[in-house]
Order: sequence, then structure tokens, then C-alpha cells
Amino acid sequence: DQQVKQNSPSLSVQEGRISILNCDYTNSMFDYFLWYKKYPAEGPTFLISISSIKDKNEDGRFTVFLNKSAKHLSLHIVPSQPGDSAVYFCAASAWDSNYQLIWGAGTKLIIKP
Amino acid sequence: EAQVTQNPRYLITVTGKKLTVTCSQNMNHEYMSWYRQDPGLGLRQIYYSMNVEVTDKGDVPEGYKVSRKEKRNFPLILESPSPNQTSLYFCASSSGGVNYEQYFGPGTRLTVT
Repeated sequence: DQQVKQNSPSLSVQEGRISILNCDYTNSMFDYFLWYKKYPAEGPTFLISISSIKDKNEDGRFTVFLNKSAKHLSLHIVPSQPGDSAVYFCAASAWDSNYQLIWGAGTKLIIKP
Repeated sequence: EAQVTQNPRYLITVTGKKLTVTCSQNMNHEYMSWYRQDPGLGLRQIYYSMNVEVTDKGDVPEGYKVSRKEKRNFPLILESPSPNQTSLYFCASSSGGVNYEQYFGPGTRLTVT
């Protein structure tokens, strides 16, 4: 049973428009969420995170929104650029374990010129 | 340059032949972790280490061993590899657990025939 779900395996967005990647979770013990980005033949790289005490965190073109009641978070990229084409992973950790991370299956984002 | 290195990058082996995948980081990080990535499943945690001589199981530890004798190194050992361990493996490190940015190695593609 996947505790972190990214239901869209892929997403195609026009360059310059907004990209919205979604993530749902089932475990109410999760209190910290992270987004990682992965290019082919490379390891994931950290993008942005959010604690459950917040509902929004922003870093440049990237914003993560957290809706605790719906157990849903989303990553917004504005404006989308060709270099944003990658696989994006959502991941979560529980309040009682700072050492274990549960990952979603990933969403492949394709930015069209 | 701050980095996590893994060796080998690619490995094809046969069932039952013991192998070790090395992982080394030069950032003096206390936390290190091993993940495997499989299609449709995202990343799953195998083992992690909070510090030297302190390790614990992740979600999928069966068939794997680890050791942490030095802070910089965290090798992954497959004593008797089986075909279901064919996967892409990533080593990662951070300064304080999964809620901190994890730095990933480039990955090791393992095929067990």
C-alpha cells in the first residue's frame, strides 16, 4: 500500500506556463514533505520542502502548497523552463522518525518549447 | 567539491556471487542511506546510518547488509544476490537525517542474472 502517491506518471507543459505537480499521502503521522528532482543518469537533487506547521513555502520559481485536511501537496513551477524537464519525486517523513523517508513513484515533467 | 561517490556505476553479476557497492561522501555528514529505485515504485529505503557504528533497517532490508566503520563510507553488501535485486541503487548523505537536504550519488545499475 503506497503511503505517498503521485497519480500522474507524466505531465507536459508549454514553456513559460505554470507546471503543477500533485502528491497525495495517506499516513497522518507524516509531518515533513520534500520534493526532489531527477535527471536521467543522475541522482535526485533536493528542490524544496515544507513542514506540516506551514501551508506554503516558496523558493524562487518553486512553491509548495500543503493541504493537511486533504492530505495533499502540490509543487508549482512558474514560469516553466526547458531545464525543468525531469522526474519529480514527492517524499514524506513521519514526526517520530527523522531517519526514514517514504517516496512517491515520481512524475515526469516535459516542458515543450 | 562536495559529493557522494558510488562504485561501480554498472554491474552485471550472477545469482549467489557476493558483491559490494561502495559509497563515500566528503561532507562530514553523519547520516547516510541506501535506496533502490524500481519502475513505478519510486525510491525505497534499504538501510540507513545515523552515525558511525549505528545502522538500522529501512523498508526493504531483506537480502542486504551494511556497515559504517568510518564516517565517510557506507558500503552496501549483497551476500547472495538474486534476480529480484536487479535495480538502480542510490547512496545519499545529509547533515542530520531525512528532513535535511540529502545529497545523492550518481547511482549504481545492478543486474543479477
